[in-house]
Amino acid sequence: GAGVSQSPSNKVTEKGKDVELRCDPISGHTALYWYRQSLGQGLEFLIYFQGNSAPDKSGLPSDRFSAERTGGSVSTLTIQRTQQEDSAVYLCASSLAARGGSYEQYFGPGTRLTVT
Amino acid sequence: AQRVTQPEKLLSVFKGAPVELKCNYSYSGSPELFWYVQYSRQRLQLLLRHISRESIKGFTADLNKGETSFHLKKPFAQEEDSAMYYCALREGSEKLVFGKGTKLTVNP
Repeated sequence: GAGVSQSPSNKVTEKGKDVELRCDPISGHTALYWYRQSLGQGLEFLIYFQGNSAPDKSGLPSDRFSAERTGGSVSTLTIQRTQQEDSAVYLCASSLAARGGSYEQYFGPGTRLTVT
Repeated sequence: AQRVTQPEKLLSVFKGAPVELKCNYSYSGSPELFWYVQYSRQRLQLLLRHISRESIKGFTADLNKGETSFHLKKPFAQEEDSAMYYCALREGSEKLVFGKGTKLTVNP
């Protein structure tokens, strides 16, 4: 059906609070990716899921960041004790597969996080 | 380490002029390169990839391994080409490594 969806579209939170960002990938897409888009840094990879497991978490900036994926579908990115430098647009992408193939990543509209 | 460099943050041309958005990469293996585009208030989308060797919306990009470049070109820019353009690299691993992007403005 529709493309990748993300919620909320905008989130304003106070420094120190926890936030959860949600991603609904395209149905049937087994690979899911989280990226962060911030001023001056461009687009940075955070974490990648194949099914429910995360073979590559190398982009998570600190242990305040975590992500999970359940049922091979929805993923949640959690940021604990948010800091102002966490302010960014968080993008989710999904693709049919990853290993052994070259599949296009389809991006969601992003969640704009502002930490005050 | 992989790295993608887009030397121009901003690029401004007039409608009908040729446009070239530069991308250089640093990678020792066989890279897979992409150009993504983000139009105003729209989501990031794939424009083209080097393995398909196709022209999309009049844009082409050739992988030059000797110069480690993957520049995006269009002979006659249109106002609707105004957007943010990102060059990206994927090697073996599944993630994309993006350049910092070039904002293209095509003036009437």
